[in-house]
Amino acid sequence: EDQVTQSPEALRLQEGESSSLNCSYTVSGLRGLFWYRQDPGKGPEFLFTLYSAGEEKEKERLKATLTKKESFLHITAPKPEDSATYLCAVQGIGETSGSRLTFGEGTQLTVNP
Amino acid sequence: DTGVSQDPRHKITKRGQNVTFRCDPISEHNRLYWYRQTLGQGPEFLTYFQNEAQLEKSRLLSDRFSAERPKGSFSTLEIQRTEQGDSAMYLCASSATRLAGGTDTQYFGPGTRLTVL
Repeated sequence: EDQVTQSPEALRLQEGESSSLNCSYTVSGLRGLFWYRQDPGKGPEFLFTLYSAGEEKEKERLKATLTKKESFLHITAPKPEDSATYLCAVQGIGETSGSRLTFGEGTQLTVNP
Repeated sequence: DTGVSQDPRHKITKRGQNVTFRCDPISEHNRLYWYRQTLGQGPEFLTYFQNEAQLEKSRLLSDRFSAERPKGSFSTLEIQRTEQGDSAMYLCASSATRLAGGTDTQYFGPGTRLTVL
């Protein structure tokens, strides 16, 4: 069974204070690892897909990296508008994985001005 | 693309009543997914369709839940005899498979917040 663990559960940063969020995963075979951003009361918003170890993707102040066991979402010089819950999900290639995404519980990020 | 839309956005019902939610996927997306999310948790997979065929259902999906995608376009999720434990955000997502020219990335709608009193 696919599993995803995110840490920390919550993170408070000052504006401009860079940090990283962690996503550890267990899958029989990885089809893709996905990062989403979710604002309160809204649906998840797609950020990145990573497919293989060593891959990196960047978007504005966010950079996602992938190893065989975990992914990091690096946030450089964050702004208050980056405050949200960041969700990590995996899609496995095993018979029991299907096309579903298995999500972690998320990291709630707060950036204070 | 206009994005995935869901209706209603909020639903309050009494225990024992039936409710139905609708999801309109991004046009030309051949896959449609339903997830459920409770407060402080990540979304949990319920079921998915490829075109009009329901290909997978989670063990979480009890007999009181049924989903349809009659013409391979919009989908409905019905919950019969609602229970207080059904209170959650119900999320719909859609994707286009690689064979259909997409990337299989799932794009989510705004969700339907269900409260069962």
